[in-house]
Amino acid sequence: NAGVTQTPKFRILKIGQSMTLQCAQDMNHNYMYWYRQDPGMGLKLIYYSVGAGITDKGEVPNGYNVSRSTTEDFPLRLELAAPSQTSVYFCASSYGLAGVQETQYFGPGTRLLVL
Amino acid sequence: AQSVTQLGSHVSVSEGALVLLRCNYSSSVPPYLFWYVQYPNQGLQLLLKYTTGATLVKGINGFEAEFKKSETSFHLTKPSAHMSDAAEYFCAVGTWGSSYKLIFGSGTRLLVRP
Repeated sequence: NAGVTQTPKFRILKIGQSMTLQCAQDMNHNYMYWYRQDPGMGLKLIYYSVGAGITDKGEVPNGYNVSRSTTEDFPLRLELAAPSQTSVYFCASSYGLAGVQETQYFGPGTRLLVL
Repeated sequence: AQSVTQLGSHVSVSEGALVLLRCNYSSSVPPYLFWYVQYPNQGLQLLLKYTTGATLVKGINGFEAEFKKSETSFHLTKPSAHMSDAAEYFCAVGTWGSSYKLIFGSGTRLLVRP
């Protein structure tokens, strides 16, 4: 199993550009999450999904959109990139049957720089 | 509301010395507590977690943590540090009914000196 995969690994965007961060998992997990990690700030939840077609906001959803059309994929869309979105983005997944006590499995991250 | 505080953004120990990384939490209901580790240029992986039952939890790579409700703490320890333990460590808290959301601490970077 590849686990959780993310593409690209690194990207530079200009202010106002758009892009989609890709995330896929092959563990048949129901729950998927997007986090951002800023230096010295830990991880903040952007959006999460409890299954195909169902998504909900986390702590810091502004400036982002998500969709979940399949169990495997959970892309994160940035519509109008801003310097404040410079961060490292992590996708994670879990089975979801036992709730928040379950282990989350993380991808390797996407480093995004907005100039 | 839940919160997590990790004391010390950087901790430096000698190889073979005790590792102690501190985590205190705030929660109005019984918490689930986690320690995740992040090696350079990698995603996070679970070290150990406390959900219910025994308050002393053993994890991978010789790490353990003890849930102390009276002190609202979940400190991570390892008796003898190894060079390969150098990484960033995150404490996280979640509660049943929190919509599967984890609250992460700001992280502690562990440096191991030869």
